[in-house]
Amino acid sequence: AQTVTQSQPEMSVQEAETVTLSCTYDTSENNYYLFWYKQPPSRQMILVIRQEAYKQQNATENRFSVNFQKAAKSFSLKISDSQLGDTAMYFCAFIPDSGGYQKVTFGTGTKLQVIP
Amino acid sequence: DTGVSQNPRHKITKRGQNVTFRCDPISEHNRLYWYRQTLGQGPEFLTYFQNEAQLEKSRLLSDRFSAERPKGSFSTLEIQRTEQGDSAMYLCASSPSGGKGNSPLHFGNGTRLTVT
Repeated sequence: AQTVTQSQPEMSVQEAETVTLSCTYDTSENNYYLFWYKQPPSRQMILVIRQEAYKQQNATENRFSVNFQKAAKSFSLKISDSQLGDTAMYFCAFIPDSGGYQKVTFGTGTKLQVIP
Repeated sequence: DTGVSQNPRHKITKRGQNVTFRCDPISEHNRLYWYRQTLGQGPEFLTYFQNEAQLEKSRLLSDRFSAERPKGSFSTLEIQRTEQGDSAMYLCASSPSGGKGNSPLHFGNGTRLTVT
């Protein structure tokens, strides 16, 4: 079984600053996918960024980037130039390559508040 | 592509009543997933469909829960004899064929159930 741990229940950041959200996981799988999802208040959950474990290069999507440390089983999300619209719950998630979204494990989330 | 649609957005019911939720996935997606999200937690898998076939059910899905996807289009999730512990957000998501981590997963806005 997999576990995903997000140790920061809440965080805040000033608008235009940079913030890093932490995620660690535990698995015996060698191939898997890691995700960060964003869930704004009363709105649907959307994918922020995805990382395939066999790829060493860290994924980047505009202002969002990850620091993927496979040996340490760490997958942190960095948000640069934070914007008010980034205020949301952020969930880290894991899927083994041997399974699909029915095998997904989510962390408990980090509530991010961007302060004007 | 109008996204994944869920109805109703909110449902308040008394303990012991039956409730039914509906999910309309993205039209070309043949995989449909139901998740449950309680306060302070990430989503947990309940069940999923490949077209009209229900392929897997979580142990979380007691015999009071039933899901259908007639004709492989929309899906319904029914809870019979609701209990206060059923209070949660019920999320529906869909993905294209394969449903692995390299396929996108699209979430609906969810149905928030409150059992009084």
